[in-house]
Amino acid sequence: QVQLQESGPGLVRPSETLSLTCTVSGGSIINYYWAWIRQPPGKGLEFVGHIYYNGITNYSPSLNSRVTISVDTSKNQFSLKLNSVTAADTALYYCARWNEGMDVWGKGTTVTVSS
Amino acid sequence: EIVLTQSPGTLSLSPGDRATLSCRASQSVPNSYLVWYQQKPGQAPRLLIYRASRRATGIPDRFSGSGSGTDFTLTISRLEPEDFAVYYCQQHGGSSWTFGQGTKLEI
Repeated sequence: QVQLQESGPGLVRPSETLSLTCTVSGGSIINYYWAWIRQPPGKGLEFVGHIYYNGITNYSPSLNSRVTISVDTSKNQFSLKLNSVTAADTALYYCARWNEGMDVWGKGTTVTVSS
Repeated sequence: EIVLTQSPGTLSLSPGDRATLSCRASQSVPNSYLVWYQQKPGQAPRLLIYRASRRATGIPDRFSGSGSGTDFTLTISRLEPEDFAVYYCQQHGGSSWTFGQGTKLEI
C-alpha cells in the first residue's frame, strides 16, 4: 500500500525559501504524476504544482515564478521549493499521487511563515 | 486558467436526504477531466469521482457524478452521517489544474 510522508521545517522566515520533501513508500515513483497542494488555515484547497517521474513539471500560474518541484527517483522522493515566502504562504501542505485523480495523499505538514 | 465555481457554499440536509452539489467551469473542461473529493475535518481529501462520473475504488454507489462541458454535478442519493463533510471539484483538462472553493455539507 502506497504511503506518502511530507517532511520539512514547520517555520520559515519571510522572504526565505520553503523546502519540503515527500517520501513515497510501498510503491514506486515511476510512471506516475506527483503533486503538491496547499490549504491555508480555514480555507480551501489550492494546487501548487505537479511533476511526472521523468521531471516534467506544471505549476500554478499564481506561483509559477516562485515554485520549483523536483524528483529523485533513486530515493523515491519529490520535493517542493517556494521562494520569497510571505505570510500568505502559511498553509497545510499536502503531497499526493495522481492517478486519474489524487488517489493517495500524505497527512500534510503545516508550514508557518513568520519572523 | 479554468476557474471552478461550486454551489451552494453550504448545504444543510438530514441523513437519508438526497444531496446535489454543483461545479461550474469558466470554460469547457476538456474530456470531462473533472474530479470530486471529500474532506473531513483534520483529514486529507479523499478521491470520490474521476472523469466526471467514474467512482474511485471503494467509493459507495450512493455517490455519483455527472456532467460535461462546463456543468458538473455530484449527487449523494441517501445521506449517511459520515457523508457530512466538505466537497471539492477539481479539473485537470486545462493548462493548469484548479480546484473549486468547496461546498460544505452540514447536518
